Amino acid sequence: DQQVKQNSPSLSVQEGRISILNCDYTNSMFDYFLWYKKYPAEGPTFLISISSIKDKNEDGRFTVFLNKSAKHLSLHIVPSQPGDSAVYFCAPTNFGNEKLTFGTGTRLTIIP
Amino acid sequence: NAGVTQTPKFQVLKTGQSMTLQCAQDMNHNSMYWYRQDPGMGLRLIYYSASEGTTDKGEVPNGYNVSRLNKREFSLRLESAAPSQTSVYFCASSLRTGNSPLHFGNGTRLTVT
Repeated sequence: DQQVKQNSPSLSVQEGRISILNCDYTNSMFDYFLWYKKYPAEGPTFLISISSIKDKNEDGRFTVFLNKSAKHLSLHIVPSQPGDSAVYFCAPTNFGNEKLTFGTGTRLTIIP
Repeated sequence: NAGVTQTPKFQVLKTGQSMTLQCAQDMNHNSMYWYRQDPGMGLRLIYYSASEGTTDKGEVPNGYNVSRLNKREFSLRLESAAPSQTSVYFCASSLRTGNSPLHFGNGTRLTVT
């Protein structure tokens, strides 16, 4: 029973355009959502997070949107850069619960 | 500025052999974790330790044991390796305040033949 789904295993975007990565979850108890980024042969690194009391959180080129009623979150990267090519994992959880449930990941490729 | 260090980076085992994956962090973090990553499966939690001397099962603990040796070190042991344990293993640590982010090591790629 996969509680977290990233339905696009891969995504290719032209450099300078917007990248949109999606994540759907089924557990309505999730109230804190994180995104991690992973380069080949490295461990994941934390990118951005959002609490369920917000519907948007922005950090530079990265913005995460949360739609609680649809149980859907998305990560927007604008403008996309070649260094953004990586695998992105969403990880919903409950605030204070450190046992993260990771999605299956989306491999983003930025085309120069 | 090492962060989370995992050893070894690569390992090949025969079915039935045992081994221990080592993990150490130098960030004075309270919590430590072991995850495995398989194609199409994301990262799945094997075991978790909230503090020295405590461990807790995650989503996929069968076939593994862990030991939180001290605040810095958290090891993962495979007593009798099976081909289904072929995976990339990641150790992580966090401060354990609210939802402080996890800091991951660079992984151990394990192949069981």
